[in-house]
Amino acid sequence: DAGVTQSPTHLIKTRGQQVTLRCSPKSGHDTVSWYQQALGQGPQFIFQYYEEEERQRGNFPDRFSGHQFPNYSSELNVNALLLGDSALYLCASAAGPSSYEQYFGPGTRLTVT
Amino acid sequence: GENVEQHPSTLSVQEGDSAVIKCTYSDSASNYFPWYKQELGKRPQLIIDIRSNVGEKKDQRIAVTLNKTAKHFSLHITETQPEDSAVYFCAADRGSTLGRLYFGRGTQLTVWP
Repeated sequence: DAGVTQSPTHLIKTRGQQVTLRCSPKSGHDTVSWYQQALGQGPQFIFQYYEEEERQRGNFPDRFSGHQFPNYSSELNVNALLLGDSALYLCASAAGPSSYEQYFGPGTRLTVT
Repeated sequence: GENVEQHPSTLSVQEGDSAVIKCTYSDSASNYFPWYKQELGKRPQLIIDIRSNVGEKKDQRIAVTLNKTAKHFSLHITETQPEDSAVYFCAADRGSTLGRLYFGRGTQLTVWP
């Protein structure tokens, strides 16, 4: 039974560029949440997707957008990258938007230069 | 929104000793409190969780206690082992917006052999 997977593992981008990160949820899960974890900090909630719609959103600008596909996988897009966007981006999946337990993927390490 | 404070930020113990990490939260509507363990370069892993209708939960060497009146919860690890060394995060989930975790800043636990 595959857990949550994310790609790519690492990514280096230049300020102003755009990036797309991908996530496949754990088998049987249909809800995906994205978190940003800056170095030395706890993860911060970006947004959650369920039934291909954004269900709730944290305090992140519109430069951060996402998508969920019919197979429940998800993408996180960040436009006009800033140096401060450098972080570990974690995807977490759950069995429904009201499920308590969330399981995290290994993350994508994004470095913006 | 919810604010989760976690202490201490670093904790060093001798193998076999106990370790305690404490968290406080601000929103009385929060009703789910998970703890995650994150080893260097790896994903956060759910190690134990507690819901607001329970005051204490134990799983082998790990236990969590919750005091809803005081709005604090704690992680207790007994008989610590070097493999317990990692960063531990507490989190809280507001009942009306399940699936959105608010994390503490983490505790770096080091267990010396």
